[in-house]
Amino acid sequence: AQSVTQPDIHITVSEGASLELRCNYSYGATPYLFWYVQSPGQGLQLLLKYFSGDTLVQGIKGFEAEFKRSQSSFNLRKPSVHWSDAAEYFCAVAPYSGAGSYQLTFGKGTKLSVIP
Amino acid sequence: DGGITQSPKYLFRKEGQNVTLSCEQNLNHDAMYWYRQDPGQGLRLIYYSQIVNDFQKGDIAEGYSVSREKKESFPLTVTSAQKNPTAFYLCAASVGGSNPLHFGNGTRLTVT
Repeated sequence: AQSVTQPDIHITVSEGASLELRCNYSYGATPYLFWYVQSPGQGLQLLLKYFSGDTLVQGIKGFEAEFKRSQSSFNLRKPSVHWSDAAEYFCAVAPYSGAGSYQLTFGKGTKLSVIP
Repeated sequence: DGGITQSPKYLFRKEGQNVTLSCEQNLNHDAMYWYRQDPGQGLRLIYYSQIVNDFQKGDIAEGYSVSREKKESFPLTVTSAQKNPTAFYLCAASVGGSNPLHFGNGTRLTVT
């Protein structure tokens, strides 16, 4: 079974600083990988996804993530954080199968606080 | 405007009562899901449905039931057998396979 670890429960950065949120996964083959963002009391919004190909993927709101197979990682980055980026971020993994399991496994999330 | 509608946003019930959470989608997606979210626990899958009249248990199905009579609707019933029902419940839909999920805005259930 797949699993996802987000080592940082809470991160605080200053507005304008760079950001990296860590995600490590455990899965026997190449997985599908996702990053979602959740504002308080709201649902989750997809930031970006990796299925195959270029290991550096671009998402919405200026975010990017890099898939590193050797490290089983899919870290999320942003060069300059805005106060509106304060939210909770979830990494998720799904099996590499278009017709198979429909189950995403989510990490426990990283809460991002932004200091003005 | 396509999306997923969960209602109500807040729900309060007395212990021992069953309660049904509504989830409607107009995205024409085949697959629908229910997740439970607790602080610091991430999202845990309760039930999912790939097609109408079919659904499967997720990781924490005990104390919950669902139905999928229409493609657009996937209601979740929290029964009195669920020992700790107070949580934030999220409904999602996808075109299927391992494609991204589209989420509703959630229902916060409080049972006292």
